[in-house]
Amino acid sequence: DTGVSQDPRHKITKRGQNVTFRCDPISEHNRLYWYRQTLGQGPEFLTYFQNEAQLEKSRLLSDRFSAERPKGSFSTLEIQRTEQGDSAMYLCASSLELGTQETQYFGPGTRLLVL
Amino acid sequence: AQSVAQPEDQVNVAEGNPLTVKCTYSVSGNPYLFWYVQYPNRGLQFLLKYITGDNLVKGSYGFEAEFNKSQTSFHLKKPSALVSDSALYFCAVRFFKAAGNKLTFGGGTRVLVKP
Repeated sequence: DTGVSQDPRHKITKRGQNVTFRCDPISEHNRLYWYRQTLGQGPEFLTYFQNEAQLEKSRLLSDRFSAERPKGSFSTLEIQRTEQGDSAMYLCASSLELGTQETQYFGPGTRLLVL
Repeated sequence: AQSVAQPEDQVNVAEGNPLTVKCTYSVSGNPYLFWYVQYPNRGLQFLLKYITGDNLVKGSYGFEAEFNKSQTSFHLKKPSALVSDSALYFCAVRFFKAAGNKLTFGGGTRVLVKP
């Protein structure tokens, strides 16, 4: 399967713990996006990388959230001191920079439950 | 600010009947519009997009969408629905700019196709 992969698919943690998610984009895709989807809502943009550079961050991304893409390939999203409000599906998407024709392809998501 | 609205939380249709999922948008400049589908416990799958050109866009699995600039709409259609089309459908808009291409999603429409 050469699509976007995410690990883990599910994560249950206790409030106050740190969690880290991984995203592996489609190979050769130079752009990578993170979104958050809460139950019954559409995905909301969190942050975006072009190669290894983090170019845009949403106001939703509090200082407890950090994302990296150190070698311009896979990316990690870390949440420190988790809160119950962080419970959501975290989606990763990748794309190839093609100007107006760019299309984002999504992974299966990581579902986080904070107890 | 760009936004997307999906006025129907759920659409029920009998198998074999036409399916329409509504989407309206608000964006400054030229809109780039997308439809994605989400099956249970899965990520979003790309269906189709409108960038420019012909207002009728054909996509995957027999879906098509019509861009209407005067009504600022981008409704998704399928002439004959299948039970397997039952899923959550999201409309999204992107405003093209050099520094990022985040998607803004609607709230989603659940489609239930009954045999």
